[in-house]
Amino acid sequence: RKEVEQDPGPFNVPEGATVAFNCTYSNSASQSFFWYRQDCRKEPKLLMSVYSSGNEDGRFTAQLNRASQYISLLIRDSKLSDSATYLCVVDMDSSYKLIFGSGTRLLVRP
Amino acid sequence: DADVTQTPRNRITKTGKRIMLECSQTKGHDRMYWYRQDPGLGLRLIYYSFDVKDINKGEISDGYSVSRQAQAKFSLSLESAIPNQTALYFCATSAGGLESPLHFGNGTRLTVT
Repeated sequence: RKEVEQDPGPFNVPEGATVAFNCTYSNSASQSFFWYRQDCRKEPKLLMSVYSSGNEDGRFTAQLNRASQYISLLIRDSKLSDSATYLCVVDMDSSYKLIFGSGTRLLVRP
Repeated sequence: DADVTQTPRNRITKTGKRIMLECSQTKGHDRMYWYRQDPGLGLRLIYYSFDVKDINKGEISDGYSVSRQAQAKFSLSLESAIPNQTALYFCATSAGGLESPLHFGNGTRLTVT
C-alpha cells in the first residue's frame, strides 16, 4: 500500500460546481498535512495547511479525519482558473519526512 | 530574487556522466529536500536534510547522493546518470516544526540520453 494515496482523476466539472478530493495516508502518527496546487509541471504552490479542527480559506475547505486517516479538500463555486493538479502532502512519522500523493487532476469547463 | 534557487534550470546529459544539481536558499530554513517528479507519479522524495550533519534517505535514494555544504546549500548528485533518471527535480525548504509547509524552487528539467 502506498503511504499517501489520491484518486488521479481527472475530475471534469462545470464552472460553479462543488468538488471534493480525498487523500488517504498510512501512518496514524502523522501530524502535518498540506494541500498544494501544481500547474503544468511548474513548482507546487501551497494552497492550505490542514488543521485538526478543519479550516477554510475562501472557497476552499480542508478537513482531517484521523479515525479513517484521510484529509479532504472541498472547492466551492469552481472557477476555470481552478483547473490544476492538487497534491496532498503528509509527514510520515512526525520526523518531517514529507511525502506527496500522486495528485488529483481537476478540469473546470465553461 | 527567488527564495529557493535551483541550477541549472534545464540539463541534457549522456548515460554514465556525473551530474550535480544545486539548490540554494535565502529563507534561513534548516530543512531542505530533493524530490523528483515523473508523469503520473507525483513527487517522490529522494533525500532530505535537517541540518548540515543530518542527511536522510527518502523513498527513492538509490542512484543519488547529496551534500549539505551549508545551511543554505543542498546539492544532489547523480554519479552515473541513466535514462530512467530523466525527470523534473525539485528542491524545497521548510522552517521545520509542525505545520511548516514546503517552499519550492522552480525545478530542474533533466534529460539523460
